[in-house]
Amino acid sequence: GAVVSQHPSWVICKSGTSVKIECRSLDFQATTMFWYRQFPKQSLMLMATSNEGSKATYEQGVEKDKFLINHASLTLSTLTVTSAHPEDSSFYICSASNSGTSTDTQYFGPGTRLTVL
Amino acid sequence: QQQVKQSPQSLIVQKGGISIINCAYENTAFDYFPWYQQFPGKGPALLIAIRPDVSEKKEGRFTISFNKSAKQFSLHIMDSQPGDSATYFCAADTGRRALTFGSGTRLQVQP
Repeated sequence: GAVVSQHPSWVICKSGTSVKIECRSLDFQATTMFWYRQFPKQSLMLMATSNEGSKATYEQGVEKDKFLINHASLTLSTLTVTSAHPEDSSFYICSASNSGTSTDTQYFGPGTRLTVL
Repeated sequence: QQQVKQSPQSLIVQKGGISIINCAYENTAFDYFPWYQQFPGKGPALLIAIRPDVSEKKEGRFTISFNKSAKQFSLHIMDSQPGDSATYFCAADTGRRALTFGSGTRLQVQP
């Protein structure tokens, strides 16, 4: 149980295009999902907290208009990188908390490797 | 202060040995301390977690030791195996369920 999937697992796009990444909780409902960014050999940095049915909460320094987050259902959150540039190339990872439990356990997706040419 | 400091940055251990990774924090509002294991190109996987009301938690070969007064916690991997070679992250949470991660430790277990 507690499986989180991401799609796509990797994507290559041209500079200036937009890319959408999906995060799904497969066997549980997630009121809250989180989006992280990880550069090579570095730690995970929280980008935003996504709450079902409401606006995402962005961390300081993360551009809201560039990283659009939608959490339309209890099992799906999407991150859209708009007008992507090479510096946006990174490993994007989502996580989800099981809203049906009282624990703080976060389950992570397998990540999406974005390369912007 | 939200930072979680992790050491060492890298660690080489012989098979069968004990791997020890340490973390320290400043924010006394943290009340949940998980450890994650990450293989290259994969998302982090939860190993073990602890809350401040206990000083130690053991699950199989993995043990967390927690020192609330020193604001430090550590991961011990007993009988380390080559398959344990990965990057390990400590993390902390204040209850808003947004994790603050340490910088990571690259563990290599030599056969």
